[in-house]
Amino acid sequence: GAGVSQSPSNKVTEKGKDVELRCDPISGHTALYWYRQSLGQGLEFLIYFQGNSAPDKSGLPSDRFSAERTGGSVSTLTIQRTQQEDSAVYLCASSRGGSGNTIYFGEGSWLTVV
Amino acid sequence: GNSVTQMEGPVTLSEEAFLTINCTYTATGYPSLFWYVQYPGEGLQLLLKATKADDKGSNKGFEATYRKETTSFHLEKGSVQVSDSAVYFCALSDRAGGTSYGKLTFGQGTILTVHP
Repeated sequence: GAGVSQSPSNKVTEKGKDVELRCDPISGHTALYWYRQSLGQGLEFLIYFQGNSAPDKSGLPSDRFSAERTGGSVSTLTIQRTQQEDSAVYLCASSRGGSGNTIYFGEGSWLTVV
Repeated sequence: GNSVTQMEGPVTLSEEAFLTINCTYTATGYPSLFWYVQYPGEGLQLLLKATKADDKGSNKGFEATYRKETTSFHLEKGSVQVSDSAVYFCALSDRAGGTSYGKLTFGQGTILTVHP
């Protein structure tokens, strides 16, 4: 597609439930990133994919968070046993890879845990 | 480690006023520098970038110059419009330390409101 596409755009879930957030990057972009945007924490890096591998998972806040990417394209971020502090906007981004290349962001998935 | 510090907001200006949003950074290598903008209800968009010292990024009347000596990348616009009201994020992407990819480190964001 023309831009980075994310779904769902909004998700309300009960505490303790698992959620999956999907990202479809710009065609041809080998690099894919997940960030989290929350009040008081700003924009936090979560994980980076180059192709299907994730050489940098340093930003995942706990083992309840995981992500995968298949076919060098679509990525899924999974949060298990959601907690209220997981409420945030989860942003996906993609680029051609390599520092200095523009990173393009999706509009985000707004997650609310009640 | 890498970090980005932006001037605290919110910033409130009248239309046609001059805008400066300060941004300074700390990096272990040779970063590329970016300004991203988030308009109300929209996603992050790249506003401008500079990839080496003394480069000037510019777009939509906004400018920022990569100053290595002062580790700064201040955003400026000579005459703001109501439509410029948004949140502005300064960010860096560091090539050093074995990282060959564009992991972004963001500042905390500055809310700009422009009144007619």
